[in-house]
Amino acid sequence: EAGVAQSPRYKIIEKRQSVAFWCNPISGHATLYWYQQILGQGPKLLIQFQNNGVVDDSQLPKDRFSAERLKGVDSTLKIQPAKLEDSAVYLCASSLDRGGQPQHFGDGTRLSIL
Amino acid sequence: GENVEQHPSTLSVQEGDSAVIKCTYSDSASNYFPWYKQELGKRPQLIIDIRSNVGEKKDQRIAVTLNKTAKHFSLHITETQPEDSAVYFCAASMNTGNQFYFGTGTSLTVIP
Repeated sequence: EAGVAQSPRYKIIEKRQSVAFWCNPISGHATLYWYQQILGQGPKLLIQFQNNGVVDDSQLPKDRFSAERLKGVDSTLKIQPAKLEDSAVYLCASSLDRGGQPQHFGDGTRLSIL
Repeated sequence: GENVEQHPSTLSVQEGDSAVIKCTYSDSASNYFPWYKQELGKRPQLIIDIRSNVGEKKDQRIAVTLNKTAKHFSLHITETQPEDSAVYFCAASMNTGNQFYFGTGTSLTVIP
């Protein structure tokens, strides 16, 4: 089966600019996750969708980050305006459903803020 | 929320030796524990997982053990090979939400 697709792979922007990331989960996976992975750390959950609804966005900095999953398939994550501390790898993952299911990760987008 | 601690942060072993990585969790409601391997610049890949109704699971050279009473679980890699060199992450999850709480990672180096 095709894996989780993400784009772009790399992005360099200046602080205060905006950026968007795209994710296409594995076909049939109801649950989609966005993680932020800072160098040397484990992934930190930003937001979790179940189909097109938000399950958990408690760690999403909502003043600058937003995400949507229209039609319950693809998802986009946006940062506006970006700060230096947003430099990280943004990973998208999907699972068949909730409840003790393996999560499958995409290759991520490496974001550098100048 | 759940808190997962992982030790050691770095581990070097000679090729052919065994490696053990340990994680502890705080929430007794956690019942699913996956382990991921992440090579430099690549995606985390699931290598093995265990559910709370099982005490041990093995897949070739990789095994995971779970002690629910003590709230810790461990990854065991036997007969290590240079290609096992990577960062390994443990995670804990509950059925209700499937949010994964990741440990801080262990950088494993297998010396040929």
